[in-house]
Amino acid sequence: NAGVTQTPKFQVLKTGQSMTLQCAQDMNHNSMYWYRQDPGMGLRLIYYSASEGTTDKGEVPNGYNVSRLNKREFSLRLESAAPSQTSVYFCASSGLTGYSNQPQHFGDGTRLSIL
Amino acid sequence: GENVEQHPSTLSVQEGDSAVIKCTYSDSASNYFPWYKQELGKRPQLIIDIRSNVGEKKDQRIAVTLNKTAKHFSLHITETQPEDSAVYFCAASIGGSNYKLTFGKGTLLTVNP
Repeated sequence: NAGVTQTPKFQVLKTGQSMTLQCAQDMNHNSMYWYRQDPGMGLRLIYYSASEGTTDKGEVPNGYNVSRLNKREFSLRLESAAPSQTSVYFCASSGLTGYSNQPQHFGDGTRLSIL
Repeated sequence: GENVEQHPSTLSVQEGDSAVIKCTYSDSASNYFPWYKQELGKRPQLIIDIRSNVGEKKDQRIAVTLNKTAKHFSLHITETQPEDSAVYFCAASIGGSNYKLTFGKGTLLTVNP
């Protein structure tokens, strides 16, 4: 059982290049999330998808787009990368039992550097 | 939106001592409060969580307390060990089908042997 799988693990881009970060989960979870983690800033939500077919902005959505391809997959796209988007990106997923949310499970992260 | 404050940002203790990390939240509708541990270069991993209908929860050396009136919750680690050294994050959320977590900025815990 792989849990949440992110690809790639590392990437270096030049300013202005585009890139898609991939995320897949095999836990049959409804909800999926993209976070960025910067030193001293904790985890900040970029976008999330509460269920297949829906996406919503989080705290820091500017410069990003997302696609919930199906229940398993949720991708994050940088259309024109900027140095300020250098960060570690984490994907997470969670299920829902009744009205009780289940914990979010995280992938291993993608370390992205933009020069 | 929700705002979560976490203190202290760094904490250094001697092996065997207790460690306490405190968080406050702003939205009184928040009802789910997880704690994550993140070792260097690794993913955040859930260590304990608490829901608003419970005041305290314990799992071996780890406990979490919640004070809804004051809107704060705390992580308590007893008999600390060097392997407890990591960054700890608290988070808060309002439950339901549209749930999302708001994280604190983290506490770097160092346990000195």
